Amino acid sequence: DTAVSQTPKYLVTQMGNDKSIKCEQNLGHDTMYWYKQDSKKFLKIMFSYNNKELIINETVPNRFSPKSPDKAHLNLHINSLELGDSAVYFCASTDRGGGTEAFFGQGTRLTVV
Amino acid sequence: AQTVTQSQPEMSVQEAETVTLSCTYDTSESDYYLFWYKQPPSRQMILVIRQEAYKQQNATENRFSVNFQKAAKSFSLKISDSQLGDAAMYFCAYSGNTGNQFYFGTGTSLTVIP
Repeated sequence: DTAVSQTPKYLVTQMGNDKSIKCEQNLGHDTMYWYKQDSKKFLKIMFSYNNKELIINETVPNRFSPKSPDKAHLNLHINSLELGDSAVYFCASTDRGGGTEAFFGQGTRLTVV
Repeated sequence: AQTVTQSQPEMSVQEAETVTLSCTYDTSESDYYLFWYKQPPSRQMILVIRQEAYKQQNATENRFSVNFQKAAKSFSLKISDSQLGDAAMYFCAYSGNTGNQFYFGTGTSLTVIP
């Protein structure tokens, strides 16, 4: 039973399109994140949500919009995709309070052509 | 945002030898948590070891141990008796006390030489 699941695993799309990546966690965690991993493997935090409330919004283009319908789901919608958006996107979750490990989804490799 | 720095983009080690990966961080908090994650080619993120800042004792997990120096804000990972399966990207990570932040370093690519 997968703890954090992301769909799709791979996504190839053309420039200018709009796409969504879905994430669900069944761990009962309060906090969920989106990370972007670029070609150099750098993991950059994009957003953090706690109980559906946006906590962290790092410098990310407005084309990226997270949506948290409930605390088990955090979806990422990307408008007007650009070549530079190509990366692996990871969803993760942690329990309330500090100290617990972050559980990651398997990642979504987005390729914009 | 907190910063986590890994100054070694790449490291290599002979099989069965010991290697140490470096990590430093910057924070104004007194209570926080540090982690090392491993990312093999499968790209799955796997927790290796965890350290609470309020604990002076260094964490150990089998062949993996840390050297936590709170005053120096340093958190290095030592891998003993390196195995081929240890080859991966290793990320140092910081989590604040609220649990709403989870920041990663830039990673160290570890190669294990047979």
